[in-house]
Amino acid sequence: QQQVKQSPQSLIVQKGGIPIINCAYENTAFDYFPWYQQFPGKGPALLIAIRPDVSEKKEGRFTISFNKSAKQFSLHIMDSQPGDSATYFCAASRGGTSYGKLTFGQGTILTVHP
Amino acid sequence: DAGVIQSPRHEVTEMGQEVTLRCKPISGHNSLFWYRQTMMRGLELLIYFNNNVPIDDSGMPEDRFSAKMPNASFSTLKIQPSEPRDSAVYFCASSIRHPNTEAFFGQGTRLTVV
Repeated sequence: QQQVKQSPQSLIVQKGGIPIINCAYENTAFDYFPWYQQFPGKGPALLIAIRPDVSEKKEGRFTISFNKSAKQFSLHIMDSQPGDSATYFCAASRGGTSYGKLTFGQGTILTVHP
Repeated sequence: DAGVIQSPRHEVTEMGQEVTLRCKPISGHNSLFWYRQTMMRGLELLIYFNNNVPIDDSGMPEDRFSAKMPNASFSTLKIQPSEPRDSAVYFCASSIRHPNTEAFFGQGTRLTVV
């Protein structure tokens, strides 16, 4: 059962554009929602994360928007750069004994053209 | 800090052979995770440990897969016997067992079973 659905599968934007990646989850017990960035041949690396008690979080050019009632969250990349070209994964986890047990979305391959 | 260290980086083996993947987590981290990444299924959690104790192995696909963590600085994932469908990139990640903390991933082991 896929508990985190991510879209789109791939995305192409021009430099300076604002790509948006969306995720939806099913398990209302999730309470931690990170985004990971992965470059070819590397492991995923944490980009930004949010908890459901806030609706938005910004870190540099990256923003997470969170809609608890709709069980959706999204990643916006402002002023995108060719160096942002990578695969992006949303994820979710819940507390208790499951801390750190991440359920990942299927990933979005982002290409930023110069 | 050297980060999470995995070995080998690449492994090519013949079907039926035993394969052992190794992981050294970040010093001081007390949670360790093994993930598998494939094009079809994305990133899947196989098993995770807290304080060297396996907590959830529900993601281990079959009895051919086993994982151990004999001490806080070392873990292995073993596949015996290996099959072509086991070909994937296997990631190890570690984190501090605390609410909503970052999981740090290794560079992965690319396994090819021929």
